[in-house]
Amino acid sequence: DGGITQSPKYLFRKEGQNVTLSCEQNLNHDAMYWYRQDPGQGLRLIYYSQIVNDFQKGDIAEGYSVSREKKESFPLTVTSAQKNPTAFYLCASNRNTGGNSPLHFGNGTRLTVT
Amino acid sequence: GQQVMQIPQYQHVQEGEDFTTYCNSSTTLSNIQWYKQRPGGHPVFLIQLVKSGEVKKQKRLTFQFGEAKKNSSLHITATQTTDVGTYFCAGRGNTDKLIFGTGTRLQVFP
Repeated sequence: DGGITQSPKYLFRKEGQNVTLSCEQNLNHDAMYWYRQDPGQGLRLIYYSQIVNDFQKGDIAEGYSVSREKKESFPLTVTSAQKNPTAFYLCASNRNTGGNSPLHFGNGTRLTVT
Repeated sequence: GQQVMQIPQYQHVQEGEDFTTYCNSSTTLSNIQWYKQRPGGHPVFLIQLVKSGEVKKQKRLTFQFGEAKKNSSLHITATQTTDVGTYFCAGRGNTDKLIFGTGTRLQVFP
């Protein structure tokens, strides 16, 4: 079964700690994305990557970092510089960033920072 | 920058009633996609509209893309409890990035 796997489902961290969220896809998609969702709000783009070893900032990249060393993997690090890190994080992929390819989402990671 | 707004933010309906959510963009869109997110779940792609004035149907769901390609709507006929969730539109404008709308949360009472 092809899909996107995010782990863990729930993550708890103390303030001041960096934390890395995992995202793996076996859909052979070129493009991958990270979105943040806050209660009652839409999805905001953090970072995206069109190809291995390349990525671009989205609308709210401050306090986050990513890497794309393999086509299948696009981990997101939430750094201590992110002022309000508690949120629901969604990873997505599609065949390419342009055009009409729909997004496939993972199940998400709910991060709580106290 | 490009913005995509949806109204209403919330809608509570009795099972069997109709429901409509509207999506409005500040700029012309090359296409628009609709997603559904069940409570506690992740967004799932429903449909994509590309042509001006396009109308597509999926069973009880009807999707429209405006003539000016700046607005869209999703209409559900005779809602069921399985329709509960948040419906998002997402439009692709001149930046080529997909911008998500604010979403409409639908609650259906049996």
